[in-house]
Amino acid sequence: AQSVTQPDIHITVSEGASLELRCNYSYGATPYLFWYVQSPGQGLQLLLKYFSGDTLVQGIKGFEAEFKRSQSSFNLRKPSVHWSDAAEYFCAVVPFSGGYNKLIFGAGTRLAVHP
Amino acid sequence: DVKVTQSSRYLVKRTGEKVFLECVQDMDHENMFWYRQDPGLGLRLIYFSYDVKMKEKGDIPEGYSVSREKKERFSLILESASTNQTSMYLCASSSPGGDNIQYFGAGTRLSVL
Repeated sequence: AQSVTQPDIHITVSEGASLELRCNYSYGATPYLFWYVQSPGQGLQLLLKYFSGDTLVQGIKGFEAEFKRSQSSFNLRKPSVHWSDAAEYFCAVVPFSGGYNKLIFGAGTRLAVHP
Repeated sequence: DVKVTQSSRYLVKRTGEKVFLECVQDMDHENMFWYRQDPGLGLRLIYFSYDVKMKEKGDIPEGYSVSREKKERFSLILESASTNQTSMYLCASSSPGGDNIQYFGAGTRLSVL
């Protein structure tokens, strides 16, 4: 079945440590790929997106993500986490181009940051 | 700046009540979406609209309806609220074509007692 998987429900890191959040998708063709962040009590904010081209994409707040076609993955990374990064992170895909751009979301990864 | 506004941040309703959740966007976007968010399930699409008076069912439309009389406004209606509709509801909008970016409102947390 077509799906987006975020294997880690909760992750806890220390402030200043590096971070990698995993995302895998199961669609035949390369979809459009997104990472969104949701701070407590807030809506979703787009961190970054991949449509085509360079497989390493830069986003806001110092985040980056790498698309790996062979692994059907789009993992989110940050070299040094700040306490303000504590939030829930969602990977999402648009499984086709154009049309009504329906987003399919993963279940989310909740990030806690220890001082 | 892009803005999607949901009229209520928190709502408490009784079982059987008719509930309206309102969403307004100021970006002249054709597409608008309603999602519900539940722990461990991520966001699930309830309905979307690609034009005024047009609507399409998403993945979980049962128990919901929508209305889009004007381009900027998209309403989610719970005809007879039930306790299993207690959830966070998120509205989003986007323009069609290559952008594919959805912009989200802050959400409405609905409790049905």
